[in-house]
Amino acid sequence: QVQLLQSGAEVKKPGASVKLSCKTSGYIFTSYYLTWVRQAAGRGLEWMGVIHPNTGDTTYAQRFQGRVTMTRDTASSTVYMELSNLGSDDTAVYFCAKDKGSGTFSLDSWGQGTLVTVSS
Amino acid sequence: QSALTQPASVSGSPGQSITISCTGTSSDVGTYNLVSWYQQYSGKAPKLIIYEDNKRPSGVSSRFSGSKSGNTASLTISGLQAEDEADYYCYSYAGRRTWVFGGGTKLTVL
Repeated sequence: QVQLLQSGAEVKKPGASVKLSCKTSGYIFTSYYLTWVRQAAGRGLEWMGVIHPNTGDTTYAQRFQGRVTMTRDTASSTVYMELSNLGSDDTAVYFCAKDKGSGTFSLDSWGQGTLVTVSS
Repeated sequence: QSALTQPASVSGSPGQSITISCTGTSSDVGTYNLVSWYQQYSGKAPKLIIYEDNKRPSGVSSRFSGSKSGNTASLTISGLQAEDEADYYCYSYAGRRTWVFGGGTKLTVL
């Protein structure tokens, strides 16, 4: 079955960077977009960007341009999301999610989420 | 990339039907038949319940249905049950390989 296993919780100081991982299994890694979504406590879901694991092509939400980098390792079927210059408003749960495919552009499998806390 | 507009909250009694709207623009909801809906329980990852405006993934109850008119998509839940109490989010393709979420709607079953 499809599984997305995310790395553990992180605590970072303002100005630092964080790199999260999302290890996938149960499907052909290179065939489906992987999306990163975040959710601050009590707030809604926010689209951060997407990577195609086959080509490594990425698209980022405008508000994260210059601060976010998404990469992948095809050997381990893992995608990574690095966010730099962290501020307190980056404190959130970060999810990775797999595209359903077939041009549906919907997210049919999700990781369990990783809590990132930014605090001095 | 402005968020799609959803009501902050809706409520209904068991057995009733409710509808959650999701308003976008001609650049996203109005152009692509690619609106999906997600159900999220507190502290959990979202779950896909509708894709491509009105299709249900395997295993999702037929009480959930989606529709769209112009720039507004809608999620209807019929025969409301206590277990439907959750947050609901719409999500639309917005072109140039970008996507946008709605602000989310909290459903309360009275």
